[in-house]
Amino acid sequence: EPEVTQTPSHQVTQMGQEVILRCVPISNHLYFYWYRQILGQKVEFLVSFYNNEISEKSEIFDDQFSVERPDGSNFTLKIRSTKLEDSAMYFCASKRDRVLNTEAFFGQGTRLTVV
Amino acid sequence: GENVEQHPSTLSVQEGDSAVIKCTYSDSASNYFPWYKQELGKGPQLIIDIRSNVGEKKDQRIAVTLNKTAKHFSLHITETQPEDSAVYFCAATNNYGQNFVFGPGTRLSVLP
Repeated sequence: EPEVTQTPSHQVTQMGQEVILRCVPISNHLYFYWYRQILGQKVEFLVSFYNNEISEKSEIFDDQFSVERPDGSNFTLKIRSTKLEDSAMYFCASKRDRVLNTEAFFGQGTRLTVV
Repeated sequence: GENVEQHPSTLSVQEGDSAVIKCTYSDSASNYFPWYKQELGKGPQLIIDIRSNVGEKKDQRIAVTLNKTAKHFSLHITETQPEDSAVYFCAATNNYGQNFVFGPGTRLSVLP
């Protein structure tokens, strides 16, 4: 069964450092998301991406964040200068297309710890 | 924007009993409502979904009901098993599925 894969599974970084979280969406999917989940809290939307551009972003997704699809398979989330409060699980998700009512599939997540 | 509430936050049931989790949403334009199960250390996994033109949907032991007028939807799990223990999230989309707004989650414990 096709799945969304994320690497690394766990990333520890020092405050102020840049991190890049990587995702490989399901191969025929065209719509991609990043979500985050602070420990014990709800899953929060960060950004959606379609046709090589950001489709929608939340207020969490400020100038410190960026997304990129550098090639035909990877979808990355970059945090330019990490803060302690960026510590969370980051989930990538993909959807077949933009059409309403198609399922979004989530990856296993990357646990980011900022120290 | 859309706001999704979910109750209860924790739920313990005996194996074999039924479990019901309820969600409400605020945006009447929302029209797709998935339910996700999240096991410890894993990503959310879609278990069932319902569209706004349907009032109820069932898949084996899992069912979801939707009341558009009241803007609430519920997850029903019958004959619960220990492997049903997880955190369950409801979600809603208020446009063309671009942004899933999640509820805060319900931690379900099925006691043997």
